Amino acid sequence: QSALTQPASVSGSPGQSITISCTGTSSDVGGYNYVSWYQQHPGKAPKLMIYDVSNRPSGVSTRFSGSKSGNTASLTISGLQGEDEADYYCSSYTSTSTWVFGGGTKLTVL
Amino acid sequence: EVQLVESGGGLVQPGGSLRLSCAASGFTFSSFEMTWVRQAPGKGLVWVSSISNGGSTIYYADSVKGRFTISRDNAKNSLYLAMNSLRAEDTAVYYCARNQGHYGSGGSDYWGQGILVTVSS
Repeated sequence: QSALTQPASVSGSPGQSITISCTGTSSDVGGYNYVSWYQQHPGKAPKLMIYDVSNRPSGVSTRFSGSKSGNTASLTISGLQGEDEADYYCSSYTSTSTWVFGGGTKLTVL
Repeated sequence: EVQLVESGGGLVQPGGSLRLSCAASGFTFSSFEMTWVRQAPGKGLVWVSSISNGGSTIYYADSVKGRFTISRDNAKNSLYLAMNSLRAEDTAVYYCARNQGHYGSGGSDYWGQGILVTVSS
């Protein structure tokens, strides 16, 4: 149950687009279309932003999108806004019927 | 409105036990898989355990297997996590979360506010 690999930090200016990667193995990210992304502001509970690789829950901005290629999933945020500054975590279902999170990525809006 | 409210956290000595509860409301609790996730201070999210809607299928992270027990009471709309043989590394905020789908799909769409468990002498 090794954690998925995410960059520790990414940054972008308002209006720009950024992409956060999430790399796993064929036993998790590559083996299932069950990758989720969560946003977490300091002191708050995580919020589901993307599920099943590319689906957005109702109420989540269309500026958030997800994709996957092989063992790597990606979260793209377009038209960056100050409120997007937060920690982002990916998560994947695994071949042992468990779940694994990434180490988290701190997004800074410059 | 969907609500998940955790309780039962606090300070416990190494080797001690604690039982967390999560009270659910605003949805048909018995229809959803549920999950516990924890977050050590300043660290990332870690999946702990999940339980099927009926309670018959349960999974644990290796780090808690044999020490933690997840359970649910659908009549009381409640989820539980019994934690035994607690270690300093179990210190974390524990979140209960609702799984949107089944068998891995859907992610966790609602989360509680979290409850702090501190293991220290």
